[in-house]
Amino acid sequence: EVQLVESGGGLVKPGGSLRLSCAASGFTFSSYSMNWVRQAPGKGLEWVSSISSSSSYIYYADSVKGRFTISRDNAKNSLYLQMNSLRAEDTAVYYCAREVQGSFFDYWGQGTLVTVSS
Amino acid sequence: SYVLTQPPSVSVAPGKTARITCGGNNIGSKSVHWYQQKPGQAPVLVIYYDSDRPSGIPERFSGSNSGNTATLTISRVEAGDEADYYCQVWDSSSDHRVFGTGTKVTVL
Repeated sequence: EVQLVESGGGLVKPGGSLRLSCAASGFTFSSYSMNWVRQAPGKGLEWVSSISSSSSYIYYADSVKGRFTISRDNAKNSLYLQMNSLRAEDTAVYYCAREVQGSFFDYWGQGTLVTVSS
Repeated sequence: SYVLTQPPSVSVAPGKTARITCGGNNIGSKSVHWYQQKPGQAPVLVIYYDSDRPSGIPERFSGSNSGNTATLTISRVEAGDEADYYCQVWDSSSDHRVFGTGTKVTVL
């Protein structure tokens, strides 16, 4: 059974940093691109970042480029999101999602809440 | 950047058909995927590559895509279909993944 479990969310002050993790199991992690998608309270889904299976290709939404860094450790079946210079508008539930054929997301984690507030 | 526009809400009586549109410039040339999200839960893929259904998704869910509009159709709507629905594409010009604005489906 495919499982994606996020962790690392919490309350952080504006300008602060946070590192999210996503532990994957039930599939060959190193064969799939992975993504982070977020959802602000009461708002829609927003794609944040994507990383290819071997980390060769990395993409960011304009809203986080230069502040967030996506990475993965295939030996540990883990995906990460380093978030720096956090802003109030980064407050959201952050989901990790498995990507299929560079196109759609077939499995999602349950999400971890990041709150940026003083 | 590529923009996908959905109606904020759609209301439908039980047993009837709900149609949710997703508008984008020449979206018919892209592959469109649809997700269902119920309150407090993660999104669930219901349609991929315009009209394919993942295993476990009822045949009542179908999709189409042509011109500037993609459509998710839910036939014989049930109370359990009440949720937010999002379309999504891959924008090849930027390699960004793009979500639609979302549509709340209310079952009357």
